[in-house]
Amino acid sequence: KNQVEQSPQSLIILEGKNCTLQCNYTVSPFSNLRWYKQDTGRGPVSLTIMTFSENTKSNGRYTATLDADTKQSSLHITASQLSDSASYICVVAANFGNEKLTFGTGTRLTIIP
Amino acid sequence: SQTIHQWPATLVQPVGSPLSLECTVEGTSNPNLYWYRQAAGRGLQLLFYSVGIGQISSEVPQNLSASRPQDRQFILSSKKLLLSDSGFYLCAWSVRGRTEAFFGQGTRLTVV
Repeated sequence: KNQVEQSPQSLIILEGKNCTLQCNYTVSPFSNLRWYKQDTGRGPVSLTIMTFSENTKSNGRYTATLDADTKQSSLHITASQLSDSASYICVVAANFGNEKLTFGTGTRLTIIP
Repeated sequence: SQTIHQWPATLVQPVGSPLSLECTVEGTSNPNLYWYRQAAGRGLQLLFYSVGIGQISSEVPQNLSASRPQDRQFILSSKKLLLSDSGFYLCAWSVRGRTEAFFGQGTRLTVV
């Protein structure tokens, strides 16, 4: 069964600090992996996409990594800001033609001043 | 451009009442459609997904059902709501062959 597991479930850090969120998956055959940011009471919005051949991709203060051999991804946030408080969701697509997306349960990140 | 509409934004329903949440997508054809639920403090749980008209896959057994009467319309229903059906319901769509999902603004359902 395709699964996506994220850790930690929740994280609280001080403004300005860095943090790393983890995602492990068992989706096969792998197509790509996306990280989404979901603000409270809103729908998730895509931050970055990682394909099989990509190891690292940055989007501003967000840097995603992918290790396709170990089936792990991480999202590193640098110099956190209060607006980074949100849930971060890892989503993996399986390459079946009509790709079904498998969502992780997310990491709830809270930035405190 | 593509847009997704989901309504209502908030809903308070008594236990045992029926439910109908509607989601429509504009600007694209033959999308994959999804219904998710997010309980308070929890992650997204996939409820149903559809790859075409009348084609519905259920991910978890529950008190809910879904229908896709038209290509860009996805409906989430229940005949009798339970307290445990309370949550934040999100509709999403993705383009065939592409894997970015686009979400509606969600419906906050409170069953009382």
